[in-house]
Amino acid sequence: NAGVTQTPKFQVLKTGQSMTLQCAQDMNHNSMYWYRQDPGMGLRLIYYSASEGTTDKGEVPNGYNVSRLNKREFSLRLESAAPSQTSVYFCASSEAPGVGYNEQFFGPGTRLTVL
Amino acid sequence: GESVGLHLPTLSVQEGDNSIINCAYSNSASDYFIWYKQESGKGPQFIIDIRSNMDKRQGQRVTVLLNKTVKHLSLQIAATQPGDSAVYFCAESGLMDTGRRALTFGSGTRLQVQP
Repeated sequence: NAGVTQTPKFQVLKTGQSMTLQCAQDMNHNSMYWYRQDPGMGLRLIYYSASEGTTDKGEVPNGYNVSRLNKREFSLRLESAAPSQTSVYFCASSEAPGVGYNEQFFGPGTRLTVL
Repeated sequence: GESVGLHLPTLSVQEGDNSIINCAYSNSASDYFIWYKQESGKGPQFIIDIRSNMDKRQGQRVTVLLNKTVKHLSLQIAATQPGDSAVYFCAESGLMDTGRRALTFGSGTRLQVQP
């Protein structure tokens, strides 16, 4: 099993450009999550999908959209990138639905720089 | 607002010694706690968790202690090895005012193991 995979690993954007971060998991997990991690800070939840077909906002959803394409895949889109979105983005998945009370498995991250 | 924090940003220990990483939390509604390890350039990796109805839980070379009276969590690593060098995050899970469960991460402690 590959676990949680993310593409791309690195990306540089100019302000105003758009892009989609891809995430896939092969563990047949119900729930998937997108986090961002800024220097010296913990992870902050952007959006999550408790189950296929549902998505919910997390702590910092502004400027992002998500799509739960199927049970395996959960994408994060930046429609108009801003320098404040420079960060490392992590996708995670868990077996049980919802946030908390269950172990989350993380991908290797996407390092995004917005100039 | 509610927050999860760590007392020490960097902890340096000698190989073979025991390590103790501390975490303070402030949300009295939190009932599930997790420790994650993050190596450089990788995503967080689950280490151990504990529910609020317990005050101690042991894993392989790791022990988590929970003191609900003072809202304190600690991770003990026995016989610390160079491979334990990483950033360690605590995370708390509890019901928020919205009625939803959230997982809140601390900012992390860097553990450096000296050979």
